[in-house]
Amino acid sequence: EIVLTQSPGTLSLSPGERATLSCRASQSVIRTNLVWYQQKPGQAPRVLIHGASSRATGIPDRFSGSGSGTDFTLTISRLEPEDFAVYFCQQFDGSRYTFGQGTKLEIK
Amino acid sequence: QVQLVQSGAEVKKPGASVTVSCKASANRFTTYNVHWVRQAPGQGLQWLGMIDPSGGTNYPGNFRGRVTMTRDTSTATVYMELGSLRSDDTAVYFCATEVPATCFFDYWGQGTLITVSS
Repeated sequence: EIVLTQSPGTLSLSPGERATLSCRASQSVIRTNLVWYQQKPGQAPRVLIHGASSRATGIPDRFSGSGSGTDFTLTISRLEPEDFAVYFCQQFDGSRYTFGQGTKLEIK
Repeated sequence: QVQLVQSGAEVKKPGASVTVSCKASANRFTTYNVHWVRQAPGQGLQWLGMIDPSGGTNYPGNFRGRVTMTRDTSTATVYMELGSLRSDDTAVYFCATEVPATCFFDYWGQGTLITVSS
């Protein structure tokens, strides 16, 4: 099983700032199978990025994904108030899906 | 806009089984995989398995033998049954769809809280 470790656990920033979230895998991840989700309290997750760097339908261009191998990054260029939420990375290794434990992005 | 509507919250005793349903607003299930993901209170996400359009299933090893996913095409409904419930199965259970081979979940149900307590 591929274990995904996200860092930091909590990120405290102000609106307008840049956010950089990390997702590190215990072994190499197929780049096309790396996904980022956003989840707000009481809601289901929403897909932001798939294939490591492709924005999902309707996702603003301030969200971007990068990385390969075992290291992936989600960047939010300029934080909007609605971006404060929990973010999860997810991968599929051909037989099972695993998620990171999440990064909470909170208002400073 | 696709909607996935799940059945309501339930309370179960340890050792019992629970079945959660997930109905699509349109028969998305004829061409999409349906996955189940759960989230324990204040915790992360855990994949429980999937059912494909032909009814084939894929369960991770840690749930194999305890989880069963089925589908009723006539009612556009997918079911997830989890047996031998334990207190650590207390969680919100989500269904979600995937366009086959894209590896991400594009539409999600609203979630169903399953509480396991004696």
